Amino acid sequence: DSGVTQTPKHLITATGQRVTLRCSPRSGDLSVYWYQQSLDQGLQFLIQYYNGEERAKGNILERFSAQQFPDLHSELNLSSLELGDSALYFCASSAGTSGGPNTGELFFGEGSRLTVL
Amino acid sequence: GEDVEQSLFLSVREGDSSVINCTYTDSSSTYLYWYKQEPGAGLQLLTYIFSNMDMKQDQRLTVLLNKKDKHLSLRIADTQTGDSAIYFCAETASGGSYIPTFGRGTSLIVHP
Repeated sequence: DSGVTQTPKHLITATGQRVTLRCSPRSGDLSVYWYQQSLDQGLQFLIQYYNGEERAKGNILERFSAQQFPDLHSELNLSSLELGDSALYFCASSAGTSGGPNTGELFFGEGSRLTVL
Repeated sequence: GEDVEQSLFLSVREGDSSVINCTYTDSSSTYLYWYKQEPGAGLQLLTYIFSNMDMKQDQRLTVLLNKKDKHLSLRIADTQTGDSAIYFCAETASGGSYIPTFGRGTSLIVHP
């Protein structure tokens, strides 16, 4: 158990809909990262938050947004969903003191599998 | 092109050694990692190496780094069926946010 909790584990929805994925980081970790894992793109970095502030942005679509709340949990919002958004979405956290992980170790949740029909 | 490349599949017999290879492009990489993903689970860090090291050994795992060729390998000695998983190579670059860039992962299949 990594200590990172993601909900829901599975989600099936239709094209055009909007979903919210939730992540609770390990106790004490200030950084949260979102990654998308798909068969054709591999593991793609989407966005990072550190202590409530956006720290880095990767290949995140404009239809997607995220935030980190004062209690450090994070939500990833996916809107106007398309078939190609079907993927496994991972949240990870780290203990970095300046926004980056000390040794690069990220602790991953089990992922939220999104299926868009 | 991808920053980190790995072969997609490796099949070995139980008890043999497995060698998973990875190449990366960023010459400023500071940390290089191997993560393991078991079915239905998230990624878990197996080991990492600093870019100023050539080798790191941890029980059955040996990591070799050839910085000149930007090549990283993970050797698993006495491979067991429980080692069957996807292995991801990742790197972070200096001067940035230290966010790991992952390869696509190598599926290791261990058969009796």
